[in-house]
Parts: sequence; structure tokens; C-alpha cells
Amino acid sequence: GAGVSQSPSNKVTEKGKDVELRCDPISGHTALYWYRQSLGQGLEFLIYFQGNSAPDKSGLPSDRFSAERTGGSVSTLTIQRTQQEDSAVYLCASSTDRPHTQYFGPGTRLTVL
Amino acid sequence: AQKVTQAQTEISVVEKEDVTLDCVYETRDTTYYLFWYKQPPSGELVFLIRRNSFDEQNEISGRYSWNFQKSTSSFNFTITASQVVDSAVYFCALSGLSSGGSYIPTFGRGTSLIVHP
Repeated sequence: GAGVSQSPSNKVTEKGKDVELRCDPISGHTALYWYRQSLGQGLEFLIYFQGNSAPDKSGLPSDRFSAERTGGSVSTLTIQRTQQEDSAVYLCASSTDRPHTQYFGPGTRLTVL
Repeated sequence: AQKVTQAQTEISVVEKEDVTLDCVYETRDTTYYLFWYKQPPSGELVFLIRRNSFDEQNEISGRYSWNFQKSTSSFNFTITASQVVDSAVYFCALSGLSSGGSYIPTFGRGTSLIVHP
């Protein structure tokens, strides 16, 4: 079946602009995660959605970052007033069970000029 | 707070050599889960294995084996007879209860394995 998909695959933007990154999880997966991976670094947790529960936003680095998940499926990560340090690969993962074996999408490479 | 340390930043071997990737973790949880993921040059992370804190049995899957030792807080990964296709970045991750009550994984920084023909 279809895996996790993300769009766009690449995004180049100018400093100060807003960007939206999209994630389509695997059908039936109730949990959805966003991570950020900077060059040579590990994965930095950003936000976690589980079913209809309030999301765990403990990893969002600033109030410029927000995310929503509509209808328990598609999720959008929004970064407002982008900064050069936001340049990274943004990864989305979904899972169906605890303790959350995650299936990752291909990521969106964001470059802020 | 939980922490995962992968001290080896990069390992370079010649094909057919055995190689062990180290993973040391810290957690205060009594129930937790450990993972290994592979990120090939194409970029997409692939799940390899999951273990829970109550199961210390070692596991073997083909050329891959995992050694989980609670006494040393380690979950090491060995590739036997390495192949060029094993070249990738390997991440170890720990999933324990966050302050928000959900299982949030913490990833190590990854070990880049380069297998030369």
C-alpha cells in the first residue's frame, strides 16, 4: 500500500516568508509526527498528533512554528517569517500502534535564502 | 529526560567485514522502547527493529543482530559480512513517556556507515 507522502519535496523561500509543508500519513494510522533534520544532525522532534487528543507541541522551537491535522489524516506544518536557521529537512512519520513504530515519509528539504 | 548517544559519527569498512554500531541510552522510565532505523542515501528512514525494556533477548535477522543490555544501557547493532548496500546512516532511538504523557522518541545523532567494495 501507499506509504507516507510529503509535499513539496523541495522548497526554496526567502527569509521572512511563510511556508506550508504537507504530510499524508498511511491510511488508518492514528499517530503522526513531525521532525526536523539538520545537516549532520539527528532527528529533532517537533510535534505529535494522536487521534483526537490535543497535540504534543513540546518540541516546537518557537511560536513561528505551528501544525494542524485535519480530519485525523493530512497534516500541515506552517513556519511563519522563516529564518535561515529553519533550513533543514522536515520529516513526517505516522504509526498505528504503541509504542509507535514509525513509518517515515521522504521529507521536504527547506532552504531559506 | 531521555538521551541517546551514538558515539561513532562515521565508520568505514571494507565489504565482508563485520561492524558493530554502538547505542547507549539514558532514561528514568521503567517501560521504554528502543529502535534502530536506517537512512540510505536516498534519504527515507526505514524501520529495522523495536525492542521493549522487558525483553533483553538478543535478536538476529539475516546478517543483522542486536544486543540489548539493560545493565549497561546499551542496544548495539551488528552487521555481519557487510555489503556495499549497507552503506547508510543508522539511527538509534528511545521512546519513553514524555512529560505530556505520550511516547515521544528521542533519536541519536546517527552513525554513518560506509562500506567499500
